[in-house]
Amino acid sequence: AQSVAQPEDQVNVAEGNPLTVKCTYSVSGNPYLFWYVQYPNRGLQFLLKYITGDNLVKGSYGFEAEFNKSQTSFHLKKPSALVSDSALYFCAVRDISNFGNEKLTFGTGTRLTIIP
Amino acid sequence: GAGVSQSPRYKVAKRGQDVALRCDPISGHVSLFWYQQALGQGPEFLTYFQNEAQLDKSGLPSDRFFAERPEGSVSTLKIQRTQQEDSAVYLCASSLVHGDRGLWQPQHFGDGTRLSIL
Repeated sequence: AQSVAQPEDQVNVAEGNPLTVKCTYSVSGNPYLFWYVQYPNRGLQFLLKYITGDNLVKGSYGFEAEFNKSQTSFHLKKPSALVSDSALYFCAVRDISNFGNEKLTFGTGTRLTIIP
Repeated sequence: GAGVSQSPRYKVAKRGQDVALRCDPISGHVSLFWYQQALGQGPEFLTYFQNEAQLDKSGLPSDRFFAERPEGSVSTLKIQRTQQEDSAVYLCASSLVHGDRGLWQPQHFGDGTRLSIL
């Protein structure tokens, strides 16, 4: 089985400050990890992925995420928050050790609000 | 358009009616996915197609849910005898290739169909 936990329903950050949105995962084998962002009444937009290699991955709009295998975490980060970053963020995992498994399992989401 | 297109954007139906939701994936995308997103929740997997073949339907909640992709392009999700718990946003996603190579290509999502069952 594969699962994702996003422990914070809501994160508030002042504009210009660094932000972190937390994600932990559980898989029986090796994970592929993803972050998506959702704006109101819209579908999900891909931000970044961890497949293999460097534990720090960089994505769209200045976001980055760090894969930590020992802590089974994949936290999303940005050095300086913008008001336009306010949205709903989803972490997702796929267990690649399960042959033929293509599906993503998503967390419940974290609402990020950047305060001007 | 260049993105995944879903129609209708909003659908209201009475309990017991049948509904059909359409997804037009990005041209040339081999893989197609359906997800259900309840209010305040993350998307949950329903089913997956590789071309016209439905390879995984483990997430379909009951036999009232049926999906097809007969020509390997457009897909339809049908819900028979709708119930109030079917109210949700139904998201369609497509990606360029399947299998491990497909993981290098992100799933691209449509804006969803918001289904309300009265």
